[in-house]
Amino acid sequence: DGGITQSPKYLFRKEGQNVTLSCEQNLNHDAMYWYRQDPGQGLRLIYYSQIVNDFQKGDIAEGYSVSREKKESFPLTVTSAQKNPTAFYLCASNGGGSTDTQYFGPGTRLTVL
Amino acid sequence: GESVGLHLPTLSVQEGDNSIINCAYSNSASDYFIWYKQESGKGPQFIIDIRSNMDKRQGQRVTVLLNKTVKHLSLQIAATQPGDSAVYFCAEKRVSGYSTLTFGKGTMLLVSP
Repeated sequence: DGGITQSPKYLFRKEGQNVTLSCEQNLNHDAMYWYRQDPGQGLRLIYYSQIVNDFQKGDIAEGYSVSREKKESFPLTVTSAQKNPTAFYLCASNGGGSTDTQYFGPGTRLTVL
Repeated sequence: GESVGLHLPTLSVQEGDNSIINCAYSNSASDYFIWYKQESGKGPQFIIDIRSNMDKRQGQRVTVLLNKTVKHLSLQIAATQPGDSAVYFCAEKRVSGYSTLTFGKGTMLLVSP
């Protein structure tokens, strides 16, 4: 069963704690992306990675960090430096090169208590 | 579910009607556009795409129209069904070389039986 998986679906964090969101894909896609979604807003790009061991900041990278040690995995860490971390986080991937369509995972809802 | 629809423009239609969802994009140099459907609590799902060398593309019950002169994109859904109720986003590919997308804020489609 191919696709993009994100875990957990719901995550709760206390203020001041770091938390890591998982994103895995078995589509053999080169490129992976993290977006944040807030109510009434479109998706905003946090980080993206075109290839293993390389990644770039998106529009709202402050307070977040990522790693890309394996092609299949692109975990996102929400650090305590992120001022307003409560949001719906979406991971996406695409095949890279001339392939532009991005396919999304089911999302993780992060709530800071 | 996720409250992604708060404060979004809303289109309410009756089952069986045709629906038209509009989107204005920002960059006249964008060369690729996608429509996504997002149901409550889920990740966006690819519907249809179009490249800038086309002005119309048809899928199953959906048609995308592109008017580059006024930077306008529309999604037409024929014979709308209750299962079509969702938030619909347009996205344009940035022309920076990498395949990153800029998303609109979305339109909520509500279909009444």
